[in-house]
Amino acid sequence: DAKTTQPNSMESNEEEPVHLPCNHSTISGTDYIHWYRQLPSQGPEYVIHGLTSNVNNRMASLAIAEDRKSSTLILHRATLRDAAVYYCILRNAGNNRKLIWGLGTSLAVNP
Amino acid sequence: EAGVAQSPRYKIIEKRQSVAFWCNPISGHATLYWYQQILGQGPKLLIQFQNNGVVDDSQLPKDRFSAERLKGVDSTLKIQPAKLEDSAVYLCASSLDLSAVYGYTFGSGTRLTVV
Repeated sequence: DAKTTQPNSMESNEEEPVHLPCNHSTISGTDYIHWYRQLPSQGPEYVIHGLTSNVNNRMASLAIAEDRKSSTLILHRATLRDAAVYYCILRNAGNNRKLIWGLGTSLAVNP
Repeated sequence: EAGVAQSPRYKIIEKRQSVAFWCNPISGHATLYWYQQILGQGPKLLIQFQNNGVVDDSQLPKDRFSAERLKGVDSTLKIQPAKLEDSAVYLCASSLDLSAVYGYTFGSGTRLTVV
């Protein structure tokens, strides 16, 4: 299974943009890049996903490198409620489409 | 839209006892997942159902864990007998179908402590 590498922790200030990096150098052509986040004492929450092109939704933007070996989740204006563990996950269409979770990045947002 | 419901929210049992968790997915979601999340780690898939059939249970410790989704709606996960290392949060998730184009929706989980 292709793996992802993320920093253990990051810190941001409220109302500033946050760029959360993810490396996935062994990604295959059929792997989708998914991002979930998990707030304290809650289940994970879907954030965004993409294959090749950059994606935007109401929660965040996903920037995918041209060679697809890395991606960045962008929170345009961090709020205190964005403090969570962010997981970057590859989902292979040919592997029962399982999500293989890593340890994620713990994001702290300072007021 | 109601979310994924799980109960109980917390459970404390002694080792070698049995325990059961219940999950009611989002209405209309055909695919249901049970995950185990040990403190400080990402979730690990235990079992995946498509309607009432098992799609993947390769990481389910079948000597002590069992799960069912008899009518293709709600599901139960059972541990019998429990071990100390089973202490974790058990998460249930659902998706519209196997493609999960719109992602998975997770419940809040059941925190199990085995003493």
